[in-house]
Amino acid sequence: DVKVTQSSRYLVKRTGEKVFLECVQDMDHENMFWYRQDPGLGLRLIYFSYDVKMKEKGDIPEGYSVSREKKERFSLILESASTNQTSMYLCASSSTGRDEQFFGPGTRLTVL
Amino acid sequence: GENVEQHPSTLSVQEGDSAVIKCTYSDSASNYFPWYKQELGKRPQLIIDIRSNVGEKKDQRIAVTLNKTAKHFSLHITETQPEDSAVYFCAALFRGSQGNLIFGKGTKLSVKP
Repeated sequence: DVKVTQSSRYLVKRTGEKVFLECVQDMDHENMFWYRQDPGLGLRLIYFSYDVKMKEKGDIPEGYSVSREKKERFSLILESASTNQTSMYLCASSSTGRDEQFFGPGTRLTVL
Repeated sequence: GENVEQHPSTLSVQEGDSAVIKCTYSDSASNYFPWYKQELGKRPQLIIDIRSNVGEKKDQRIAVTLNKTAKHFSLHITETQPEDSAVYFCAALFRGSQGNLIFGKGTKLSVKP
């Protein structure tokens, strides 16, 4: 069974803190994605990676960075969390040539 | 840039009626169009998809139609049931992307018993 997991379901952080969100997939997928989901705005792509140590900016990369040291793991980093980064964060993965993306359960981040 | 527009943003139907959600896309070279369903508090999951060499695809009560000339595609749900209540997202894969999907903003479907 396809599985994408995220390190936390709920997270509360303070303004200025460094935040790490982790995503792990067990399907040997090449591609991994981080999205932000806000009401009325749909799913917006933050960063994606199509190979280990490779990363590409999505539509809203400002204030975020990513790390992919191993194929199965893709981390999203908020260098200095701000209140406008309060949101639901979804990770996804896909296999090159298959196109279907499999999503993790999401992390609801609140920045106070 | 690439864009996917989705309408309506909310849709309310009576149980047993049909529901239709429409999306338009900007890049005529797009070749893959999935639909995802996200139930409250859960992750988005693929329910049906269509590729550009096909005009229509059905899976039980759901179907997707694609009009490449007009650059739009639609999700049709027949005989709706309360468990169809969810947010539905359309998406398009654009040529030259590394598997990136551009998502519509979602449609919240409510099926009233």
